[in-house]
Amino acid sequence: DSGVTQTPKHLITATGQRVTLRCSPRSGDLSVYWYQQSLDQGLQFLIQYYNGEERAKGNILERFSAQQFPDLHSELNLSSLELGDSALYFCASSATGAGGEAFFGQGTRLTVV
Amino acid sequence: GQQVMQIPQYQHVQEGEDFTTYCNSSTTLSNIQWYKQRPGGHPVFLIQLVKSGEVKKQKRLTFQFGEAKKNSSLHITATQTTDVGTYFCAGVGGSYIPTFGRGTSLIVHP
Repeated sequence: DSGVTQTPKHLITATGQRVTLRCSPRSGDLSVYWYQQSLDQGLQFLIQYYNGEERAKGNILERFSAQQFPDLHSELNLSSLELGDSALYFCASSATGAGGEAFFGQGTRLTVV
Repeated sequence: GQQVMQIPQYQHVQEGEDFTTYCNSSTTLSNIQWYKQRPGGHPVFLIQLVKSGEVKKQKRLTFQFGEAKKNSSLHITATQTTDVGTYFCAGVGGSYIPTFGRGTSLIVHP
């Protein structure tokens, strides 16, 4: 158990819909990363938050947004969903966000139909 | 931007054979991390290398960081069926964001 909790584990939704994925980092970790994993793209970095502030952005679509709350949990919002958004979405946390060891959650498997 | 290439994509071995996966970055790294993802699981941190030329061992696993801090390798001696999974390297550069390679999937035949 990594100590990182992601909910839900599975999500099936229709194209055009909006979903919210939730992540609770390990106790004490200030940094949260979101990654998308698909078969043909590997683990793609989406966005990083550190202590409530956005720190870095990767290949995140404009239809996607995220935030980190004062209690440090984070949410990833995906809107106007397309079939190609079907993937595993991982949240990872680290203590400092300065490139150290990252602890991954179990992931949310999103299927868009 | 920073790119991390990892080869091979797949590797089939007979149990007891050795296995190596290689990782190359387009830029000099501050550190490199290795993760293992079992089928149906999530990436689990194995190790972090920081120093140029660094070599670290964990039982049958040997990790190396190149002198130029742009490449790395993971070598497993005498593979076992428990080694099955996908091994990822993640390069950390100036942005401090772990950039993952596409991974090498290890399949061990008993």
